[in-house]
Amino acid sequence: AQSVTQLDSHVSVSEGTPVLLRCNYSSSYSPSLFWYVQHPNKGLQLLLKYTSAATLVKGINGFEAEFKKSETSFHLTKPSAHMSDAAEYFCVVSGGGSQGNLIFGKGTKLSVKP
Amino acid sequence: EPEVTQTPSHQVTQMGQEVILRCVPISNHLYFYWYRQILGQKVEFLVSFYNNEISEKSEIFDDQFSVERPDGSNFTLKIRSTKLEDSAMYFCASSDGTGDEKLFFGSGTQLSVL
Repeated sequence: AQSVTQLDSHVSVSEGTPVLLRCNYSSSYSPSLFWYVQHPNKGLQLLLKYTSAATLVKGINGFEAEFKKSETSFHLTKPSAHMSDAAEYFCVVSGGGSQGNLIFGKGTKLSVKP
Repeated sequence: EPEVTQTPSHQVTQMGQEVILRCVPISNHLYFYWYRQILGQKVEFLVSFYNNEISEKSEIFDDQFSVERPDGSNFTLKIRSTKLEDSAMYFCASSDGTGDEKLFFGSGTQLSVL
């Protein structure tokens, strides 16, 4: 069965410093992996998606994630945090059923200090 | 940018009452979904819908739940007899059916069952 584990429930960084949000996955086959972001009172927005074409995936707003099969990880990074990055981030794996059956991690709340 | 809209943003109901949560997916999308998030827990898949029928449903989606696309634009989730444990944020999503599983989510309806 597919699953994801987000290793930190809360990450706090200062503006201008790097962001690292950690995610490990478990999958019985080559997975599709996603990162979604949710700003307060907004819907979940897709940041990026991995589908085996390239291990380093670039997303919107300067975020990227690297797929490491040996470590079963898909960590999300950004070189320099901005105040507007403060939000909740979800690591997601395709459930393997019909299209759109996604399995979410518990989420990591990112706080950005001025 | 087109978006998925959900109404109402907050719904309060008494236990045992029927509720209908409404969603307007992105107009050219073909796949529709409902997810929910109980406070403090993961976002969970409920159901996917394509070509006017359910494609897949989770164990959560029991006989008290139903979905419908009553016209060309709306997609609804009905809960027949609400229970306290149905209190959650319900997210509607849609995708264009190209197989990339990029879901567009609404901002959610917070359902409170008293």
